[in-house]
Amino acid sequence: QIQLVQSGPELKKPGESVKISCKASGYTFTNYGMYWVKQAPGQGLQYMGWINTETGKPTYADDFKGRFVFFLETSASTAYLQINNLKNEDMATYFCAVGGNWGQGVMVTVSS
Amino acid sequence: DVVLTQTPPTLSATIGQSVSISCRSSQSLLDSDGDTYLNWLLQRPGQSPQLLIYSVSNLESGVPNRFSGSGSETDFTLKISGVEAEDLGVYYCMQATHAPYTFGAGTKLELK
Repeated sequence: QIQLVQSGPELKKPGESVKISCKASGYTFTNYGMYWVKQAPGQGLQYMGWINTETGKPTYADDFKGRFVFFLETSASTAYLQINNLKNEDMATYFCAVGGNWGQGVMVTVSS
Repeated sequence: DVVLTQTPPTLSATIGQSVSISCRSSQSLLDSDGDTYLNWLLQRPGQSPQLLIYSVSNLESGVPNRFSGSGSETDFTLKISGVEAEDLGVYYCMQATHAPYTFGAGTKLELK
């Protein structure tokens, strides 16, 4: 069955960068696009965009253009989310998802 | 962007009670391919979201049949026929017809 395993929690300072991984298994990685979702503490779900796993082309929702980068390591069936120049408002849990399958989420804490 | 309005924001139920959640879209979710990409997810406390229903009314594998979805175009409903304790959490509708995908604000199901 499809499984998405994400990396562990992160504690970063404002201005730093963070890279979150999402390792897929149980299916052919390049057959399905992967999307990313942000959930701020106590808040709902916010779609960040998706990456075409066949071509590597990312598409970002408007709120996530600029500092956010989606990329792949296809040989390892792994997708990455990198957030540059972290801000306090980036503190959240980040999920990867393929179809109806979700990773367990990665909590990113931003604190000076 | 498509706005999904969920009501009610909070729902109090007793075990065995049947409840419904509404999701209204700011525009039709009927895709040009004839499908309607409206999904329902449940996020239990401390867990990642879980797909319950896809394309309005299709039950995801492994999901109990007390869950059902209905609707068309802009009005959709999730019904739980006989709430069980494991159903508590936040329910989200999500549309994947129009880019960017969007989520409703969520409906929290609590025990009365």
